[in-house]
Amino acid sequence: AQSVTQPDIHITVSEGASLELRCNYSYGATPYLFWYVQSPGQGLQLLLKYFSGDTLVQGIKGFEAEFKRSQSSFNLRKPSVHWSDAAEYFCAVGAPLTASKLTFGTGTRLQVTL
Amino acid sequence: DAGVIQSPRHEVTEMGQEVTLRCKPISGHNSLFWYRQTMMRGLELLIYFNNNVPIDDSGMPEDRFSAKMPNASFSTLKIQPSEPRDSAVYFCASSLKTGSNEKLFFGSGTQLSVL
Repeated sequence: AQSVTQPDIHITVSEGASLELRCNYSYGATPYLFWYVQSPGQGLQLLLKYFSGDTLVQGIKGFEAEFKRSQSSFNLRKPSVHWSDAAEYFCAVGAPLTASKLTFGTGTRLQVTL
Repeated sequence: DAGVIQSPRHEVTEMGQEVTLRCKPISGHNSLFWYRQTMMRGLELLIYFNNNVPIDDSGMPEDRFSAKMPNASFSTLKIQPSEPRDSAVYFCASSLKTGSNEKLFFGSGTQLSVL
């Protein structure tokens, strides 16, 4: 069964500082990997996704993530955080070419201090 | 495009009452998903439809929950009777490709409180 672990429940960074949110997955083959962001009172919005190819993927809002098969990780990064990035971030894993049963991590809440 | 539209945004009801949540997917999308979000369990997939047909309902917690998709532009999630432990945010999402994980578009959710 596929699973996702986001070890950090809550992270606080200063505006302008760099950010890395951790995500580890468990899946028997090469998975589809996603990062979603949820602002308060809103649904989830896709930031980026990895299906195959280049292991460093670029997303919206200046985010990027790197797929590392050896570490079963798909960490999300941003070089310089803006106050508007404060939100909850979810990593998700899915099985290629099968039903869209995404398994989400429990999320990491990002707080940005000015 | 208006995106995925869910109604109501908030629902407060008493235990034992029937609750119906509604969803209008993005026009042209052929897959629809119902998720439930709680602090304890995070985001859980309850059921998903492809071309209006339920494909996998293994995430539906129990028989009190039912979902329908009578046409491509409308789906309901019904809880009867409701219980306090059903309190959660229920999200509807839609996507375009069949059986694909490519991109889910989420609605803003329905915050359900069962007293």
